[in-house]
Amino acid sequence: AQSVSQHNHHVILSEAASLELGCNYSYGGTVNLFWYVQYPGQHLQLLLKYFSGDPLVKGIKGFEAEFIKSKFSFNLRKPSVQWSDTAEYFCAVNEGTYKYIFGTGTRLKVLA
Amino acid sequence: NAGVTQTPKFQVLKTGQSMTLQCAQDMNHEYMSWYRQDPGMGLRLIHYSVGAGITDQGEVPNGYNVSRSTTEDFPLRLLSAAPSQTSVYFCASRRTGTGQETQYFGPGTRLLVL
Repeated sequence: AQSVSQHNHHVILSEAASLELGCNYSYGGTVNLFWYVQYPGQHLQLLLKYFSGDPLVKGIKGFEAEFIKSKFSFNLRKPSVQWSDTAEYFCAVNEGTYKYIFGTGTRLKVLA
Repeated sequence: NAGVTQTPKFQVLKTGQSMTLQCAQDMNHEYMSWYRQDPGMGLRLIHYSVGAGITDQGEVPNGYNVSRSTTEDFPLRLLSAAPSQTSVYFCASRRTGTGQETQYFGPGTRLLVL
């Protein structure tokens, strides 16, 4: 069965540190990949998404993600985090059907 | 546009009680879905609908019923609540298509079953 793994469950960083959150998926065919963010007390919102083309995708608030097909990975990065990036981050995969598979999430805490 | 709205925001139930979680969207999206979010489990799909009158099961459908009589509304029913259904429930919607479309989420309903 298709699955999504986020290996970092909790990450604590200081402001200005660089961020990389891992996401690996198990599906071998063509996939649509997403990163969603949930700020404290808020609902999920889209950070970025990838379907095809340039494997380096840029999203909102300075985030980017790189799709590496050979590694089945779609890692999220940000060169310099801010306190306001404190949130929970979810990777999600959709292989073109109506069903999305979400990872278990990574809680990021940024220390001021 | 209000986007995706959910009511109530918070609910406490006793085991065996029934209730309906409401979800509405004003974006004319064909696709709507319900997820539950549990610590360490991420979001899991309960049921989804691709249009009025059409629903299907997701990963964790047991204990939940849905119907879709209009494009706007997609209520989730718990017929006999169990403590295992204590969770945060999110409704989402998007246009139908190839799966590349962005899902828009509601603010969530926090449910506690005693």
